[in-house]
Amino acid sequence: KAGVTQTPRYLIKTRGQQVTLSCSPISGHRSVSWYQQTPGQGLQFLFEYFSETQRNKGNFPGRFSGRQFSNSRSEMNVSTLELGDSALYLCASSLAGQGLTEAFFGQGTRLTVV
Amino acid sequence: SQKIEQNSEALNIQEGKTATLTCNYTNYSPAYLQWYRQDPGRGPVFLLLIRENEKEKRKERLKVTFDTTLKQSLFHITASQPADSATYLCALDVRASKIIFGSGTRLSIRP
Repeated sequence: KAGVTQTPRYLIKTRGQQVTLSCSPISGHRSVSWYQQTPGQGLQFLFEYFSETQRNKGNFPGRFSGRQFSNSRSEMNVSTLELGDSALYLCASSLAGQGLTEAFFGQGTRLTVV
Repeated sequence: SQKIEQNSEALNIQEGKTATLTCNYTNYSPAYLQWYRQDPGRGPVFLLLIRENEKEKRKERLKVTFDTTLKQSLFHITASQPADSATYLCALDVRASKIIFGSGTRLSIRP
């Protein structure tokens, strides 16, 4: 079966702009989690969506938001980009939730803010 | 605050030996603990999940232990191979469906 697909793979944006990243989970998976990965902070949890509802949220500012559609595809949006937002953004899909069941990660979107 | 520590940033061992990675946590009681492998430029790959009431779990050359008294998990790779070289991450659930990752241990297996 197809894996988790994240688009785009690479992105360069300017400070102050906004960006939308997309994640298509494995067919049948209803949970999508988003993470930010940087060399200094490691993998940090952003939020998790399950059946179109945000179920959990990490400690990120309100500039980071997300949503999930009825087909389980998810998007995350970052507004008013800052240099510190440069990172690898990863999504993970699972059947019932990442803590409970095996999760599958996408390849990530590498965002560079200049 | 909740904290996860993986014992060393990097571990270098010889092929054929057993690699042992450590994950310690404080200030919470997870119901599940997971281990992932991550190669450069790629997303993490799930390896094993162990529940709080399980002491040990095995999968091929991998073994994970979970000691809720010590608040520690050990991850072993037996008969290590250069292909096992990667960063290994432990992760704990803070509450259902929200997990926190450790910073990872970069494992290098030299021939």
